[in-house]
Amino acid sequence: SAVISQKPSRDICQRGTSLTIQCQVDSQVTMMFWYRQQPGQSLTLIATANQGSEATYESGFVIDKFPISRPNLTFSTLTVSNMSPEDSSIYLCSVERSAGWSTEAFFGQGTRLTVV
Amino acid sequence: DQQVKQNSPSLSVQEGRISILNCDYTNSMFDYFLWYKKYPAEGPTFLISISSIKDKNEDGRFTVFLNKSAKHLSLHIVPSQPGDSAVYFCAAVVHNAGNMLTFGGGTRLMVKP
Repeated sequence: SAVISQKPSRDICQRGTSLTIQCQVDSQVTMMFWYRQQPGQSLTLIATANQGSEATYESGFVIDKFPISRPNLTFSTLTVSNMSPEDSSIYLCSVERSAGWSTEAFFGQGTRLTVV
Repeated sequence: DQQVKQNSPSLSVQEGRISILNCDYTNSMFDYFLWYKKYPAEGPTFLISISSIKDKNEDGRFTVFLNKSAKHLSLHIVPSQPGDSAVYFCAAVVHNAGNMLTFGGGTRLMVKP
């Protein structure tokens, strides 16, 4: 298993500002994933963060809006930049463990962001 | 294009009865499937999984069934308990293609005492 500490757990932010979310894993992992869950929606992958290289963004997400850092194998940050009310969501970081056929994802507790 | 779909956004079940949550997928390359449970203000937690070489996997009160020909899987919870009330997500993986999970939209299960 993996223990993931994510902070802040929630925040209320003014539009036009930025928020950086931190994610700490209790063990070294190659890839860390950032998801967004908009109200009533599923988990949507924003980007995959590899240590030592630029993050890989999914369609609809860009680095200028969601810059990601991955300074080492246990830590990552996601910044939500120039926020608007449409960015109000739950943001989750995740890691995966694979062993043979088995793949399991572990999640942080999420950051509930409200933009006013 | 949603590759993994959960067509029922919510389900209400009486305590002690069976809960059946359904999930459909379109990508025939998916070869591993998982169910996650999510409580409010918490991250999703792993519940049960099944590989495409099986059609059933059971773990206590939870059983997952896979019908590859129909591209359909279901999660059965028997007996349902009020503590099972949560949002359930199914997810699918293509191994050897990054192993990234694709999630369905979730089903909110409410188990009434």
